[in-house]
Amino acid sequence: GENVEQHPSTLSVQEGDSAVIKCTYSDSASNYFPWYKQELGKRPQLIIDIRSNVGEKKDQRIAVTLNKTAKHFSLHITETQPEDSAVYFCAAKRRGSQGNLIFGKGTKLSVKP
Amino acid sequence: NAGVTQTPKFQVLKTGQSMTLQCAQDMNHNSMYWYRQDPGMGLRLIYYSASEGTTDKGEVPNGYNVSRLNKREFSLRLESAAPSQTSVYFCASSEVLGLATYNEQFFGPGTRLTVL
Repeated sequence: GENVEQHPSTLSVQEGDSAVIKCTYSDSASNYFPWYKQELGKRPQLIIDIRSNVGEKKDQRIAVTLNKTAKHFSLHITETQPEDSAVYFCAAKRRGSQGNLIFGKGTKLSVKP
Repeated sequence: NAGVTQTPKFQVLKTGQSMTLQCAQDMNHNSMYWYRQDPGMGLRLIYYSASEGTTDKGEVPNGYNVSRLNKREFSLRLESAAPSQTSVYFCASSEVLGLATYNEQFFGPGTRLTVL
């Protein structure tokens, strides 16, 4: 079955710096890769996603890149702010899997003022 | 719209007790999911329901049962709770119209369960 590895598990940056979180997946049939943000004590919420027919997608300060050949995708946050502090989860959906997502184990991002 | 709601928010059980976690969504989504979240483990799928009347096992189904009561409601039952089931449980829903759709999953606020 699908396996998603996420690195690093913790990341600390200074406000204004960039942050990059990387994920690899094992199933070449995966075709959808969302990223969720979870603030402390809250529910996960989608922040950006990418489909397998696209190499990069950007939304203001966040971007996601996908390398299908290497089977990895990354989240990039520029000009980080303290409110970006949260746990970020990557996920992958296998083609034909009824929407089921396999999640990475999460990255705790801390942005220091 | 309330989105996805879950009850209860917190629960403490003794080993061997049973309980049902309730989930409801008002977005007319056809797919619903139950996850558990443990420290350092991410979100793991317990069961899902692709549409009303169907349920299937996810990654970690042992010790759980589910019921898709109608299109809105999807419940998770622990028949005989064990300390290993101490976790935060999230329900989610999405609009999946076929095998090729890629739609956002909306999560409920979670239920924090402790089994002593």
